[in-house]
Amino acid sequence: GDSVTQMEGPVTLSEEACLTINCTYTATGYPSLFWYVQYPGEGLQLLLKATKADDKGSNKGFEATYRKETTSFHLEKGSVQVSDSAVYFCALSDLYNFNKFYFGSGTKLNVKP
Amino acid sequence: GAGVSQSPSNKVTEKGKDVELRCDPISGHTALYWYRQSLGQGLEFLIYFQGNSAPDKSGLPSDRFSAERTGGSVSTLTIQRTQQEDSAVYLCASSYTPGQGVYEQYFGPGTRLTVT
Repeated sequence: GDSVTQMEGPVTLSEEACLTINCTYTATGYPSLFWYVQYPGEGLQLLLKATKADDKGSNKGFEATYRKETTSFHLEKGSVQVSDSAVYFCALSDLYNFNKFYFGSGTKLNVKP
Repeated sequence: GAGVSQSPSNKVTEKGKDVELRCDPISGHTALYWYRQSLGQGLEFLIYFQGNSAPDKSGLPSDRFSAERTGGSVSTLTIQRTQQEDSAVYLCASSYTPGQGVYEQYFGPGTRLTVT
């Protein structure tokens, strides 16, 4: 069945450091891939998405590229800020499974000034 | 426009009592999802409604949990004979899926359930 695996946290970085949060997936159909973010005390919100192989999603300085050959969708940012501290969830939606969503376990990012 | 709303925002109940959690999806959204998020944990899928199809109940942890969606809109998650391990934040999400395509989920603020 479909599933998403992402690196365990917490990840602690200093401000302006580079960030990579790994995400790999297993899907039987043609998934679309997402990163959701949950800031402290807030609900989940979409950060970025990619709908087909080689697509790059980007938002707020974050990027992720849909790599079908490695079944990956790693989240990257060149220079993190304290305000990026949050929990990040990788997810997939499988068109051939009625758009059911599958979420990873979440990775907590702490950015220190 | 209005987002997904959930009520109550907080619920404290005694062990053994039944609780009902409500979700109002975004108007016109055909798909509705319930998740559970325990403290410091990821999202645990509970149940998924898609249009008029039979719901996917594969994530419900026990027969104490049930959910319904009336008229293709509002959904109620019911937990009977609550246990302390049911304490968590229950999240509802909806999405618009008129056909083939990619549709993001919109999440509600959640209901924090505490079983004492």
